[in-house]
Amino acid sequence: LAKTTQPISMDSYEGQEVNITCSHNNIATNDYITWYQQFPSQGPRFIIQGYKTKVTNEVASLFIPADRKSSTLSLPRVSLSDTAVYYCLVALTGGYQKVTFGTGTKLQVIP
Amino acid sequence: NAGVTQTPKFQVLKTGQSMTLQCAQDMNHEYMSWYRQDPGMGLRLIHYSVGAGITDQGEVPNGYNVSRSTTEDFPLRLLSAAPSQTSVYFCASRRSTDTQYFGPGTRLTVL
Repeated sequence: LAKTTQPISMDSYEGQEVNITCSHNNIATNDYITWYQQFPSQGPRFIIQGYKTKVTNEVASLFIPADRKSSTLSLPRVSLSDTAVYYCLVALTGGYQKVTFGTGTKLQVIP
Repeated sequence: NAGVTQTPKFQVLKTGQSMTLQCAQDMNHEYMSWYRQDPGMGLRLIHYSVGAGITDQGEVPNGYNVSRSTTEDFPLRLLSAAPSQTSVYFCASRRSTDTQYFGPGTRLTVL
C-alpha cells in the first residue's frame, strides 16, 4: 500500500484559494489518487479522484505531476463551511480495495 | 436510496460484553468495509468484504468478527469488548470501480 504524507493542519481566510499537497513516493502504476473530506461526527465524503495531470469538478481541482509522486488538492475561494479534515488516499480502483487513511489535513477557514 | 445506514448511532458497553454493529447498503455494492476512527486520528481498516460470503482482514482486525451473508448487510461483531475498542466505527461500500460511500458512524464507548 502506498503511504501518503500530508500537512497536519492549515489555516486560510475566507475567499482564498487553498492548496493541500500530498506526498506519495511509492505510488504504483495502477494506483489512483482520491481525496475525501470529513466533517466532525460524519463519515468521509468523496471530493475528487485522478490518475495524472489535472482533474476538475464543481468542488475542487486535483493537480498531479508527471511522476505522480505527489498531488495537490485545490479548493477555490474557501468558505467557513469548508472547515474539515481532508484525506489523500492512493489505491487501486477496481478489484478489492484495501486502503488506509492517513491522519489527514485539518483545514481551518478563518472569517 | 438510503445509501449506507448504520445502527446504533451511540452505544455504551461494559468490558467483556458483546454486541453487533449493523451496516446496510441499498446500492447493490459488491465491496463493503469497516473502519474505526480514534480521536484525532485517521480511519483504520478493520475488515472488508468483496462480495457475499467473502471477507478478509484489514489493518486492525483483532477483537472483531464479520460475516457477509447478503450483498446488503455487513455486521461487525465485538465478542468481548475492551476499553481499547472505544472509538467511532464507520461502514463503507462501493462498486468495484467506484469511490467509497460512508455511513454516519457508530460512537462506541467501552467502560
